[in-house]
Amino acid sequence: RKEVEQDPGPFNVPEGATVAFNCTYSNSASQSFFWYRQDCRKEPKLLMSVYSSGNEDGRFTAQLNRASQYISLLIRDSKLSDSATYLCVVPNDMRFGAGTRLTVKP
Amino acid sequence: DGGITQSPKYLFRKEGQNVTLSCEQNLNHDAMYWYRQDPGQGLRLIYYSQIVNDFQKGDIAEGYSVSREKKESFPLTVTSAQKNPTAFYLCASSPRTGSYEQYFGPGTRLTVT
Repeated sequence: RKEVEQDPGPFNVPEGATVAFNCTYSNSASQSFFWYRQDCRKEPKLLMSVYSSGNEDGRFTAQLNRASQYISLLIRDSKLSDSATYLCVVPNDMRFGAGTRLTVKP
Repeated sequence: DGGITQSPKYLFRKEGQNVTLSCEQNLNHDAMYWYRQDPGQGLRLIYYSQIVNDFQKGDIAEGYSVSREKKESFPLTVTSAQKNPTAFYLCASSPRTGSYEQYFGPGTRLTVT
């Protein structure tokens, strides 16, 4: 099993839709996780951190399910500008998922 | 402005040549990392360093070398032994290794022909 696994997508959604991605991890000792956003041909940029209780920032919500060893990212009211690849990372392992590609269409 | 710089943005080399990619940070971070990203794929760890004069191999270190003589600098050399060097190379830093977020430089796109 890969250490960090993501559904590669692509997810194609209309503007205003709600979309969610999951990221599974294998290291049960991991305490924190992060979601990054990567635009085409650019560097990843930190989007959100995920600790025990989850995190919410505007339209974005990140949650952790320790029992099933996955983290999720929920985007509400999708905007065209949300189109990007979303990477999850387990910093303890220095491992990134391969990313989930999201395209928001008018 | 604090941040991470990588240079050059684009680099072209002939097969058989060694090439060194620059990475500098002024965030006063202890840890620095090098990743490689191939089209449509995730980031793979090449090397990382937790402290000056010390570094560890990542998952794909073969054909690469690094040095960490200064806290601010972590150059990566892609040697002629690297079989498929054409890729997008990303440098990152974090306050320490472990449960800390990483901050990335803008990357260097290397093409070897």
